[in-house]
Amino acid sequence: TQLLEQSPQFLSIQEGENLTVYCNSSSVFSSLQWYRQEPGEGPVLLVTVVTGGEVKKLKRLTFQFGDARKDSSLHITAAQPGDTGLYLCAGDQGEGTALIFGKGTTLSVSS
Amino acid sequence: DTAVSQTPKYLVTQMGNDKSIKCEQNLGHDTMYWYKQDSKKFLKIMFSYNNKELIINETVPNRFSPKSPDKAHLNLHINSLELGDSAVYFCASSSNSGANVLTFGAGSRLTVL
Repeated sequence: TQLLEQSPQFLSIQEGENLTVYCNSSSVFSSLQWYRQEPGEGPVLLVTVVTGGEVKKLKRLTFQFGDARKDSSLHITAAQPGDTGLYLCAGDQGEGTALIFGKGTTLSVSS
Repeated sequence: DTAVSQTPKYLVTQMGNDKSIKCEQNLGHDTMYWYKQDSKKFLKIMFSYNNKELIINETVPNRFSPKSPDKAHLNLHINSLELGDSAVYFCASSSNSGANVLTFGAGSRLTVL
């Protein structure tokens, strides 16, 4: 059973379009993190959300943590080819546990 | 300076062989991890060490043996390699303070023929 359901798995869009990636669970997390991974590299942290209902913005990226701290979304406005990559959400279940990762969303933005 | 470095980057070997992957972090972090990323890009935790002590061991075959000589190093030794062991193995580290944020190495791609 996958603890963190991430959707969509693949997304292919044109430059300038908007998109949203979702990460859902029935479990409560102490924090939820979003990572981006490029080919041949390890995932790199984009943002951590900790408080239920929290919204964080990183340039054209907007991250939201659900009120119940069970789900999160990543919205990209006016996508650019440089946004292409694998986006991973990861839930933190607290001290003594390891991050649980979603299955990832492979985003391809063409010009 | 590379924060989390792992070697080798690529490893191609025959079934039945034994191989090791090394990892070092210079961030002063207390906790280190091994994750396995399969062909579908799913990242799954294998092991976690905190200050050289094993704290997480996730249903990994005992052919996989991690070793942490000090809190800056976490190595992974794999015996009797099988085809299904082919994957990218990522080392990561985190601090004990604040949210459990991971810094990953660049990965070691293991191909078992």
